[in-house]
Amino acid sequence: DIQMTQSPSSLSASVGDRVTITCRASQDIRNFLAWYQQRPGKVPKLLIHGASTLQSGVPSRFSGSASGTEFTLTISSLQPEDVATYYCQKYHSAPLTFGGGTKVELK
Amino acid sequence: EVQLVESGGGLVQPGRSLRLSCAASGFMFDDYAMHWVRQAPGKGLEWVSGTSWNRAAIGYADSVKGRFTISRDNAKTSLYLQMNSLRAEDTGLYYCAKAALRGVVVAGGGGFDIWGQGTMVIVSS
Repeated sequence: DIQMTQSPSSLSASVGDRVTITCRASQDIRNFLAWYQQRPGKVPKLLIHGASTLQSGVPSRFSGSASGTEFTLTISSLQPEDVATYYCQKYHSAPLTFGGGTKVELK
Repeated sequence: EVQLVESGGGLVQPGRSLRLSCAASGFMFDDYAMHWVRQAPGKGLEWVSGTSWNRAAIGYADSVKGRFTISRDNAKTSLYLQMNSLRAEDTGLYYCAKAALRGVVVAGGGGFDIWGQGTMVIVSS
């Protein structure tokens, strides 16, 4: 099975900081990669699919990119409401594996 | 309003069975693949199983293969998960989720754009 390795597992940043989260696939998954945000106590929310396509209604400070088997989620200017755990997920083939998650906190 | 509502969770002894249900509304249910995702307390997300719109393609995580069975009734706009031989490690919040893109098989669905609130399953003696 294709493994998804997400890093870092946690980070602390200040309001206005640029935040970058990385997800690496163990094999080629083309751009079949999604990013989710899960705020504390809430249901996961789809942010990005196709590695870089922003889901409707998601703020433009969120962006996604891909380079080979490495995928990046960037928050250009961290806001207080962005405190959450972020997950990548590959949907290239079953199993539709999630990354281990990145917890983003405010410094 | 697009909505998914799970039910059927509860406390169950190891080795017993449980059947989860997910009632969908507000969208063309039979146009989309549907999935179950679980989250153990304080842990990350784990994809459990998915079914294509027409049940022709079905997938399972290795951790549940042979014990869990996913099914759907398009006439009732409902998704199900039959869970047998339950183990302590099956404990968690079980979410029903809708594929973002219509008309796809289990994979390739563009992620999951609608999630239910989840139903809690606790496997303990």
